[in-house]
Amino acid sequence: DTEVTQTPKHLVMGMTNKKSLKCEQHMGHRAMYWYKQKAKKPPELMFVYSYEKLSINESVPSRFSPECPNSSLLNLHLHALQPEDSALYLCASSHQGRGYTNEKLFFGSGTQLSVL
Amino acid sequence: AQTVTQSQPEMSVQEAETVTLSCTYDTSESDYYLFWYKQPPSRQMILVIRQEAYKQQNATENRFSVNFQKAAKSFSLKISDSQLGDAAMYFCAYRSVGYYGGSQGNLIFGKGTKLSVKP
Repeated sequence: DTEVTQTPKHLVMGMTNKKSLKCEQHMGHRAMYWYKQKAKKPPELMFVYSYEKLSINESVPSRFSPECPNSSLLNLHLHALQPEDSALYLCASSHQGRGYTNEKLFFGSGTQLSVL
Repeated sequence: AQTVTQSQPEMSVQEAETVTLSCTYDTSESDYYLFWYKQPPSRQMILVIRQEAYKQQNATENRFSVNFQKAAKSFSLKISDSQLGDAAMYFCAYRSVGYYGGSQGNLIFGKGTKLSVKP
């Protein structure tokens, strides 16, 4: 299994809603990532988890709350989002540890989020 | 800070022909990684090819090859025998050599080149 699975594929939410994005991989990767990609722009790194601990937070607003409950799962909890948060949210994973500094990223197909 | 520039917003190629996508970057580091990623309409980012800066030999992967010019800070992608399935957005990306947790994900992307393949 070399897949990163993201659910849902599409999500529409109001500014007062609470929703969660889910990402799952079964490749034994211990690093997982969230990226935000606006239309016709490159992805931007949001969060990095290494061994289930948050290692990088790229100054993301607190209305985005990541969670890594175990080594296979990564969630992104959304609350009180703004219309400008509408974007494609991509999850990725990679190996970690000695000997893996050059390991490739495996990306999911993303969740297309629309905030009304 | 490192930057990545893709000067061709859109490119077009005839099926079976060859096309070259350009990428330049700026860095003061001597060791780093460079990548080309493909993003088709399915939206999944797919690694096309990777180059380690300390390697002089240009990377190749089947129909894909790069021309890595370290002194010129240039990293172009050549696609030979173009196929309809090559149509996608192509992103050039830079990564520093890092040994902290999750360093593999700290990519600096260019703005992308949209490649169309004509039958």
